[in-house]
Order: sequence, then structure tokens, then C-alpha cells
Amino acid sequence: NAGVTQTPKFQVLKTGQSMTLQCAQDMNHNSMYWYRQDPGMGLRLIYYSASEGTTDKGEVPNGYNVSRLNKREFSLRLESAAPSQTSVYFCASSPGQGVETQYFGPGTRLLVL
Amino acid sequence: ILNVEQSPQSLHVQEGDSTNFTCSFPSSNFYALHWYRWETAKSPEALFVMTLNGDEKKKGRISATLNTKEGYSYLYIKGSQPEDSATYLCAPNTGNQFYFGTGTSLTVIP
Repeated sequence: NAGVTQTPKFQVLKTGQSMTLQCAQDMNHNSMYWYRQDPGMGLRLIYYSASEGTTDKGEVPNGYNVSRLNKREFSLRLESAAPSQTSVYFCASSPGQGVETQYFGPGTRLLVL
Repeated sequence: ILNVEQSPQSLHVQEGDSTNFTCSFPSSNFYALHWYRWETAKSPEALFVMTLNGDEKKKGRISATLNTKEGYSYLYIKGSQPEDSATYLCAPNTGNQFYFGTGTSLTVIP
């Protein structure tokens, strides 16, 4: 039981390049989330998927797209990376909505030059 | 967007000391208040979920209380140990949206 896994662990991009961050969970959770974490700021929600087939914007969605490929997988795509997207990205999942606890992956550290 | 404030920002205590942190948030319209523990180079781990005014939760030497009417939660650590060193995050949530504070960084000196 791996919980929430993320790939890659670390990535360096040049401005304008694209990439997809992958996230998978094996806990049969319905809801999945993408956050970014920047120095001096709390975790900020980029996008979430309340259930398979649905996605919604969070607090900071600009410059990102997401795909809920199936119940297990939720990917985050940067179409044209910018230095402002340098951050640590965390994927999380929860059984459902409301009071359910979120379980976090190990994070992807992204550097955009 | 909920404005969540945590204090203090950082704290150094001696092993064996007891300590507490505060999480402040707007007092209306949230489902639950979550506390997470985040060790360096790891991912956040859930400590408590609280929903009701007056809720108290306890796990070993760590406990938490919730006051929804005035919009705050306290986290207490009794007899701090070096392994308690971590950043403690709080997050009220409204449905799917969790609003994380910037955390309190605790260092326990042996």
C-alpha cells in the first residue's frame, strides 16, 4: 500500500517548456488535489477533483491544467512554464469531501529557469 | 478564500517543556478544522480533525481544542521531545477547499 505517489521527484525546466506532473493513489479515494508550496506561504490549492470525471479550480489555477485520468490518477500540466511556477507541488487525496482528512504525496520540486 | 493565521511563526523549546500554538480563522462557514504535522523532507501527516465547538482531541502527548464561535484552535504538546520537531499546520476547510496557514515551526532542543 504505497498511499499517494508522485513523479518526478525533481525537475528543471526552461521558460516556455511544458511538462506533466503525475499523481496516483491506491487508497480508493474519491477526491484528489494539487497544491503548491512557496516560501512564506501556506499550501495553496491549484485544482481539485471531487470525483472521477470532475475537476474544479482552486485558489491559484492560472497557468495549469489538470486531468483526472481515472479514479487513481490525477495529473497536473504546465503548458508553458514560467519562473513564477518554481515551487514544490504536492498531490493529495481524501475519501470524500467535507471533514475527510487529506493524505499527501512526497512532493515534486520544480525549478523553472 | 479564508485568511488563516498561525502563531508563533517559530518556536524553540527545551526537551521536556510543554508548549502550545494558535490557529486563528474566520469563525463562520467551515466544515472542519484540520491539524497536520510536517517534518522536513517529508509530506504533511494528519494529526486531528475537529468539527464541533468545544471539540477536544488527543493523541499521546499532543492535544487540540477548537472554538468555532471565536475562530481559533490551540495545539498543545506536553513534555516536548526532539522527535516532535516539525512544522505544525492548521487548515479549516469549506467543502473541498482547504485553507492552510503558514505553520508554526517547532524545534525541540535536547
